[in-house]
Amino acid sequence: NAGVMQNPRHLVRRRGQEARLRCSPMKGHSHVYWYRQLPEEGLKFMVYLQKENIIDESGMPKERFSAEFPKEGPSILRIQQVVRGDSAAYFCASSPPGIAGFTDTQYFGPGTRLTVL
Amino acid sequence: DQQVKQNSPSLSVQEGRISILNCDYTNSMFDYFLWYKKYPAEGPTFLISISSIKDKNEDGRFTVFLNKSAKHLSLHIVPSQPGDSAVYFCAASRYNQGGKLIFGQGTELSVKP
Repeated sequence: NAGVMQNPRHLVRRRGQEARLRCSPMKGHSHVYWYRQLPEEGLKFMVYLQKENIIDESGMPKERFSAEFPKEGPSILRIQQVVRGDSAAYFCASSPPGIAGFTDTQYFGPGTRLTVL
Repeated sequence: DQQVKQNSPSLSVQEGRISILNCDYTNSMFDYFLWYKKYPAEGPTFLISISSIKDKNEDGRFTVFLNKSAKHLSLHIVPSQPGDSAVYFCAASRYNQGGKLIFGQGTELSVKP
């Protein structure tokens, strides 16, 4: 009964490179969320996706960041032209279908720790 | 604008005693609240939740209390065990606008043998 899977667990990039973070939700879950945790802070919501749809991206920076959850395969969080301030832990969570539009318990993956040199 | 606040960055408790972790929120539209526990280098683990139609929810050693008029919730752990040592986050959402969880800054609990 695998939980939420994220890879890579650690990612090092130089300024200006691209970072791709992957998330496979729990079996049977169709909702995916991405959160970012900066050092000494709580988790901050970034984006909420269902298969092939972005439901809420109110927490995503307007530039350089994008997310997708294709019909097949994992959800991808993509950061273009990374800067030092992007260094953080990025967590993915998933939840079951539930009642459309209603909050359900979110289960988190182990996170990807991005370091930008 | 910090809508969910955990004002105690750390808490130390003796094994066997009660641990009480507190959380305050400012948005009266929040109606669903959750507590997560997090170990270093791991993702948050769901502990317990409560909706605003209740004022208490219990699961084993964990009990969450909600005081809507004070916009305050607390997590009680009884009895505390050394394995409970972790960072605890409270989170809030609007139930009918599913998805976004707003997290507090976390409280680091240390349970001493």
